[in-house]
Amino acid sequence: ELKVEQNPLFLSMQEGKNYTIYCNYSTTSDRLYWYRQDPGKSLESLFVLLSNGAVKQEGRLMASLDTKARLSTLHITAAVHDLSATYFCAVLSHYGGSQGNLIFGKGTKLSVKP
Amino acid sequence: DSGVTQTPKHLITATGQRVTLRCSPRSGDLSVYWYQQSLDQGLQFLIQYYNGEERAKGNILERFSAQQFPDLHSELNLSSLELGDSALYFCASAETYNEQFFGPGTRLTVL
Repeated sequence: ELKVEQNPLFLSMQEGKNYTIYCNYSTTSDRLYWYRQDPGKSLESLFVLLSNGAVKQEGRLMASLDTKARLSTLHITAAVHDLSATYFCAVLSHYGGSQGNLIFGKGTKLSVKP
Repeated sequence: DSGVTQTPKHLITATGQRVTLRCSPRSGDLSVYWYQQSLDQGLQFLIQYYNGEERAKGNILERFSAQQFPDLHSELNLSSLELGDSALYFCASAETYNEQFFGPGTRLTVL
């Protein structure tokens, strides 16, 4: 069974600081997704990582994927208040009844303070 | 706006009742996924349909069922509702295994 673990689950940052959110998964997969969710809102797709060594950047966020280590990171550079949200990683499952579907981590609630 | 629509936005009902949640996927997407998001369970995959056929099942209770119609919209039916079924229910659509786009969700409150 594919398991996805994110850490930290809660992150309080000061504006201007850098930090990294980690996403580990337990079985082989070749696709990893990062989503953002604002309180009470839907999930917004941030990044799709399709291969080992993939790196994608959008503004102050950069995501990377190491399929051998089964690890993805979401790096935040010079955080601003607008980045406050919950960030989820999700891994495509290739096994069992949920084959072809996304298994989500518990999410990292990010709060950026002035 | 992801292009995925869900109705209703909010639903308040009583225990033991039955409700139907509706989802219209993005134009051209054949896959529809249903997820449940609650504080204690997080975001859980319930069921997937592809072009009208059930493709995969996740942690979906027997009291819940879904279907996808010829026009590709999907409905999630929840019956014999319990307090613990209160949650945010999301629908997502995708082209096969590609990026999933999520709808705005339906917030279900069971009293």
